[in-house]
Amino acid sequence: SQKIEQNSEALNIQEGKTATLTCNYTNYSPAYLQWYRQDPGRGPVFLLLIRENEKEKRKERLKVTFDTTLKQSLFHITASQPADSATYLCALDSTGGFKTIFGAGTRLFVKA
Amino acid sequence: GAVVSQHPSWVICKSGTSVKIECRSLDFQATTMFWYRQFPKQSLMLMATSNEGSKATYEQGVEKDKFLINHASLTLSTLTVTSAHPEDSSFYICSAKGGGGEPTGELFFGEGSRLTVL
Repeated sequence: SQKIEQNSEALNIQEGKTATLTCNYTNYSPAYLQWYRQDPGRGPVFLLLIRENEKEKRKERLKVTFDTTLKQSLFHITASQPADSATYLCALDSTGGFKTIFGAGTRLFVKA
Repeated sequence: GAVVSQHPSWVICKSGTSVKIECRSLDFQATTMFWYRQFPKQSLMLMATSNEGSKATYEQGVEKDKFLINHASLTLSTLTVTSAHPEDSSFYICSAKGGGGEPTGELFFGEGSRLTVL
């Protein structure tokens, strides 16, 4: 069955360091992959979308890589700040591209 | 960016009553909206796809008579939880693809509605 896996353990890092989150998927051949941020009690907010023919994408302090051979995406936040503390969700389009399926998310804590 | 508004943000109801949640696209037309459900520390689970002017498409295991979806206009979709029970207590979130009608791309989410059934 199709599965999206994100590290369920929270990630704790010091302010100023780079946070790296992992998303692995199986039994998928997605045309694109997305990352969202979710704060407690709020709806997710879109961050970045990377297509299957793109290896890397950047937006300000964010960087996403997409390796379709390894079936893995890495999400990096450089120069992390306490305000970056949130849950980060990986999402893939389903077969056909119409629906979006989410991983369980990884909680990030950035300490000042 | 596209704005999606959801109301109410939280609701408490008695077991056996029905609750309606509204989802509006404020600055774009959304022919399709998606309803998700989220339990604490768990993933967003897609419940159904709401299509303007036609019946919603429900995911496997989601009771369509329990979760009524109506998408009567290009900017409004509603989810009604009928005869609610405590196990229906959850965080319900709607979303829409940005205006443009393309089948792929980012989702814009509402603020979510926290339902508590006593």
